[in-house]
Amino acid sequence: QVHLVQSGAEVKKPGSSVKVSCKTSGGTFSRFGISWVRQAPGHGLEWMGGIIPMFGAADYAQKFQGRVTITADDSTSTGYMELSSLTSDDTAVYFCALGEKPVVEYLEYWGQGTQLTVSS
Amino acid sequence: EIVLTQSPDTLSLSPGERATLSCRASQTVSSFSLAWYQQKPGQSPRLLMYAASARVAGTPDRFSGGGSETDFTLTIGRLEPEDFAVYYCHQYGSSPPTFGGGTKLEIK
Repeated sequence: QVHLVQSGAEVKKPGSSVKVSCKTSGGTFSRFGISWVRQAPGHGLEWMGGIIPMFGAADYAQKFQGRVTITADDSTSTGYMELSSLTSDDTAVYFCALGEKPVVEYLEYWGQGTQLTVSS
Repeated sequence: EIVLTQSPDTLSLSPGERATLSCRASQTVSSFSLAWYQQKPGQSPRLLMYAASARVAGTPDRFSGGGSETDFTLTIGRLEPEDFAVYYCHQYGSSPPTFGGGTKLEIK
């Protein structure tokens, strides 16, 4: 069984950056397919990007290209998502999620979500 | 990217009734690479089905998935009170992965 624990809620000013962590336990971290998905208030799910730690390189949704950086630290079994140039439109719950195969596919395990509020 | 359109937006049914949720793709979803998730208020999504029709361990057998290419369905045979939630489809066969807008299943 795999468990994901995300970092806590954040409040940020417009124009700043945020970095959210996702610590995993169980399974083989390097072989996970990890995705970051966000959900704005009252809205649906939006895929931001993903990474397979054993391969290293991340893949991003075009909407977030240049503004999001997804990384993975094999030594601590932790994934990270950094989003820059924040605006109020980035106010959302951010989820990490993963499958146990080294591809970005269906998401069997989910973190609890991290609330990001962007406000001046 | 593949756009997924779910219908209806809201489905009002009573416990014991049968629910049919639709997910239509703008292009063929390769290799039946379609999943369904259930989300309740304040909770993370929960994976129910993958590969269009495969149930995840722990998903009750009243849930069934079907379809191919551009048209997929999630059917709930006899609704239980705990089934009332929002359901999302998700294609992962083409990059970028995309989600449908969701169907809210509410108690009539």
